[in-house]
Amino acid sequence: QQQVKQSPQSLIVQKGGISIINCAYENTAFDYFPWYQQFPGKGPALLIAIRPDVSEKKEGRFTISFNKSAKQFSLHIMDSQPGDSATYFCAAVDYNQGGKLIFGQGTELSVKP
Amino acid sequence: GAVVSQHPSRVICKSGTSVKIECRSLDFQATTMFWYRQFPKQSLMLMATSNEGSKATYEQGVEKDKFLINHASLTLSTLTVTSAHPEDSSFYICSVLGLSPYEQYFGPGTRLTVT
Repeated sequence: QQQVKQSPQSLIVQKGGISIINCAYENTAFDYFPWYQQFPGKGPALLIAIRPDVSEKKEGRFTISFNKSAKQFSLHIMDSQPGDSATYFCAAVDYNQGGKLIFGQGTELSVKP
Repeated sequence: GAVVSQHPSRVICKSGTSVKIECRSLDFQATTMFWYRQFPKQSLMLMATSNEGSKATYEQGVEKDKFLINHASLTLSTLTVTSAHPEDSSFYICSVLGLSPYEQYFGPGTRLTVT
């Protein structure tokens, strides 16, 4: 019940295209859903996050769509660029668990020029 | 957000020796830090929660006697891998918990190779 399932495992997108990564969860106690971007050999960095009372959040080219009833959320990267090539992790937090992040399995995104 | 550093960034040690990794919160007094391990092409796995001035809380399956965590100050937590073996080779990442349970800032990671 603590799992966050992420798909696809890898994704290849042409420059200028839309990258879409999906996540699903079971634990309804989760109340915060961040996305992290990680480049090889680096620590993850927070990209964008959403709370379950909001259905969509947009920051620049990055958008999170959230479906509370389906317990699913997704990251959309518009106008994907080669510099976006990285591994993306969705995650979930339960406030009552003291900030523990439950990570998805990760998606390796490659944007081809 | 908080700026987090780790030292060393890379370390190679011989099997059977111990190695210490430092995690520093440079601009924020961190009561809580986390330690993660990440194998190649895999997700981050939480190893333990480090609380300043008290014992760390380890996740199920993590050997507390093998992975010693000390959080002696609000800016420093250390992870010591004791009697390291090749299977301990991994990328170790720490993070700092911010003012709310929703804020977590990651360090750059430490690549440990045990030969």
